[in-house]
Amino acid sequence: DSGVTQTPKHLITATGQRVTLRCSPRSGDLSVYWYQQSLDQGLQFLIQYYNGEERAKGNILERFSAQQFPDLHSELNLSSLELGDSALYFCASSVAGVAGNIQYFGAGTRLSVL
Amino acid sequence: AQSVAQPEDQVNVAEGNPLTVKCTYSVSGNPYLFWYVQYPNRGLQFLLKYITGDNLVKGSYGFEAEFNKSQTSFHLKKPSALVSDSALYFCAVSNAGKSTFGDGTTLTVKP
Repeated sequence: DSGVTQTPKHLITATGQRVTLRCSPRSGDLSVYWYQQSLDQGLQFLIQYYNGEERAKGNILERFSAQQFPDLHSELNLSSLELGDSALYFCASSVAGVAGNIQYFGAGTRLSVL
Repeated sequence: AQSVAQPEDQVNVAEGNPLTVKCTYSVSGNPYLFWYVQYPNRGLQFLLKYITGDNLVKGSYGFEAEFNKSQTSFHLKKPSALVSDSALYFCAVSNAGKSTFGDGTTLTVKP
C-alpha cells in the first residue's frame, strides 16, 4: 500500500459529461501529480501541485483542470468528456516535489466514457 | 525538452537467467533517473533511482541499474529472474518539476 488514496476506483459516464477524481496524498507529502495512462498514449504527465500551488504542467487538455486544497488533497476535473478520455488516471505524491523525489502512486481511477 | 526511450515493448527471459530492460534518455542538465514497476491493476511502484554518485544503483527486489552518461542510458538489470518479476517496467527522467516516462516494457519471465 503506497499510502496514496484515489477515489473512485471506477467511473462510467457518457460523452459530454463532467467528472471529478479525488486524490489524498501520503501523510506528510506536499506535492501531488496527475497522470493519464492509455493504451495508445502510454503514461502521460498532466500536472503537478506543490502545497496548493501549480508547479508544473504537462499535456493537460483545456477541458481538464486540477487543484490542491489546503488539506493537500487534490481533485482532477474532466469536462465535456469524449470517448478518447477513457483511460486510467493516476495520482502520485512526493515529499517536496523536486526532481529527485520518489513518487508514490495510487491505485488509479479507471474512467470509461461511453 | 526531455524524453525517455524504451526500445523494447516486450522482454522474455527464462527463470534463473539474467535480465536487462533497456532505457535511454535525453535531458538538459544533470538527469534524475528512475525505474518503476507496475503490476496488473495496480499503480506504479518505485524500484530505484539515480541522482548522483556511483553509476551502479541497487534497488528493491534485487534489481539494479547502470547509469552510463556517454551513452545516455540507464538499463535495468537483475542477475537471476523470477517468475514474480513479470510486470510492466517504466523508466522515467525528472527535471524542473516535470517527469517523463517511457512507454514501458513488458517483462515476462517463464518458468
